[in-house]
Parts: sequence; C-alpha cells; structure tokens
Amino acid sequence: KAGVTQTPRYLIKTRGQQVTLSCSPISGHRSVSWYQQTPGQGLQFLFEYFSETQRNKGNFPGRFSGRQFSNSRSEMNVSTLELGDSALYLCASSSGTGKFDNEQFFGPGTRLTVL
Amino acid sequence: QQQVKQSPQSLIVQKGGISIINCAYENTAFDYFPWYQQFPGKGPALLIAIRPDVSEKKEGRFTISFNKSAKQFSLHIMDSQPGDSATYFCAASKGIQGAQKLVFGQGTRLTINP
Repeated sequence: KAGVTQTPRYLIKTRGQQVTLSCSPISGHRSVSWYQQTPGQGLQFLFEYFSETQRNKGNFPGRFSGRQFSNSRSEMNVSTLELGDSALYLCASSSGTGKFDNEQFFGPGTRLTVL
Repeated sequence: QQQVKQSPQSLIVQKGGISIINCAYENTAFDYFPWYQQFPGKGPALLIAIRPDVSEKKEGRFTISFNKSAKQFSLHIMDSQPGDSATYFCAASKGIQGAQKLVFGQGTRLTINP
C-alpha cells in the first residue's frame, strides 16, 4: 500500500500571499488530519476531515482552512501568510472508523517558508 | 495551555542501555496514549500505544508504563541501539470522535552513543 503523500514538499512564499497544500491519504482511509510542526510550539493539531466534513478543529485562526474531496484527498489553505506560519505541515490519515487505537499514518510533510 | 508535558527534552544513552522518556497529562478525559518516533526529514511514525485500562504494554524492545492515578506514562527502550536515535513524542486523545485529535508533548531528542 502506498503511504501518505504530500505535495509540494517545499514551498517559499512571501508575507500576505496565500498557499494551498495537498495530501493524499492511504487508500481506503477516510480521515485526514493536519498538524503544524515548529521548533517552538512542537506538533499542533489544525483540523481533521472525515467523509468530506470537518470533524475536529484545533485552536488556529480562520486564515487556516481545509477541505476534503470525495476521494478522501485533502487540501489545506493558509491565507494572508505571516512569518510565524513558517513550519512543517504534516498530514495524517487513518481509517477513521471510530474504534480506539485508531493509528494515524503521517506523510513526510510540506516545509513552508514565509519570507 | 500545554496539556501533555514531556521530559527530558534531550537524552543521551549508551548503546545497550535503557532509554526512559516521561510524560504527564492534565485532562482526565484522555483515553488513548500513543508514542511516535520521528527521524529527520520524515513524518512521525507510531511506535506503540496504550489505553488507561492497562498499566503496561510491551512490543519488542519498547514498553509503555501507565499510571492512571498519577496521570503519567512513560516509554522505556530496552537495549537501546544507535538506530533508535530520533525524536520521540508522546501524545494523547479523547473519545471516539476525537481519536484523531492528538495532543503532543514537546518531544525528546534521543541520542544513542555506539
């Protein structure tokens, strides 16, 4: 089975721009979660989508948004980029069946640099 | 508000030794506690996970010890090897609907000296 893929792997943007990141989950997985990883704040949960609906949300401003398509692929968008948005953005997929011990499989991440 | 506190931030262990990383949580509603391993340039990968109805879980050289009353859990790596050198994260989540909303500790950079 192919793993979680994220594109692009690296991005450089300037302040004020917007960016869209893409995630393709493992085949058959219906849940996609997004995390931001920074040296200062560590790994922080952004949001989770399950069957095209946002099921969980973290404490990030409205500039961060996402969506999920019928094939479970997901995109996240960050508008009006700020320097502090520079981070590794990780996508994780799981079956999302609601059972406990529902392992999340992480992709390699997209490294976003905001100048 | 940091809900999962992890220590130490960095750890150096000799090859063959035991590596111990500790985590403490605040929210008693948490009911799933995984440990993740991350190598540079890679995403985190699940090592082992435990639920609060069990006090210990072992998989190969990796063991989770869980103390519900103290709200603490720890990862023990026996016979530590240089290939175990990585950053380790503890995490927690609650409920069925929230199972994918992981709250992570700050991470421990583990170095195993040959």
